[in-house]
Amino acid sequence: AQTVTQSQPEMSVQEAETVTLSCTYDTSESDYYLFWYKQPPSRQMILVIRQEAYKQQNATENRFSVNFQKAAKSFSLKISDSQLGDAAMYFCAYRRVLSDMRFGAGTRLTVKP
Amino acid sequence: GAVVSQHPSWVICKSGTSVKIECRSLDFQATTMFWYRQFPKQSLMLMATSNEGSKATYEQGVEKDKFLINHASLTLSTLTVTSAHPEDSSFYICSARGGGGTDTQYFGPGTRLTVL
Repeated sequence: AQTVTQSQPEMSVQEAETVTLSCTYDTSESDYYLFWYKQPPSRQMILVIRQEAYKQQNATENRFSVNFQKAAKSFSLKISDSQLGDAAMYFCAYRRVLSDMRFGAGTRLTVKP
Repeated sequence: GAVVSQHPSWVICKSGTSVKIECRSLDFQATTMFWYRQFPKQSLMLMATSNEGSKATYEQGVEKDKFLINHASLTLSTLTVTSAHPEDSSFYICSARGGGGTDTQYFGPGTRLTVL
């Protein structure tokens, strides 16, 4: 069974600073996808970034980047120049190709002005 | 990007009644839809996966007779909570994936169910 672990229930960052959210996963598959989703108070799931396991290059989306370590099964999210609007729950997720998505427990990010 | 809608966004019902939640893919055909449940301050837990025209596949521990899922068309899936009880109060989120080799999964805005 695939599991996703987020070991940080809560994180805090000063506005304009950088923060890293951790995620590890367990799988026996070689081809899969990894995601980071943001869930603001509205509860709408917003895709932040996506990584295909076969790609060695780390995905980046503006201020968001990941550190994908396939051998270590680690997938951390780095948020640079943090903004007040980044405050939310962040979920790490795993999905096999053409299968369902499994989520970690989530990390609540607070951004201090 | 593709849009998934849910209706209603919030529903309150009495214990013992049934509630139906609709999930629609507005601008694409969803061959597969997923239903998740999220309790307060917890993560999303997959309840079931449904493919258009087929019976839904339920996760272990999810009562198929209580949570009826119908995926009768490529743009609509419904979740009916039968004989709802207060412990069924939760946030229900649907997600849809398109066909034709598209592997992207899109999420609806969720439905808050409160059972009195």
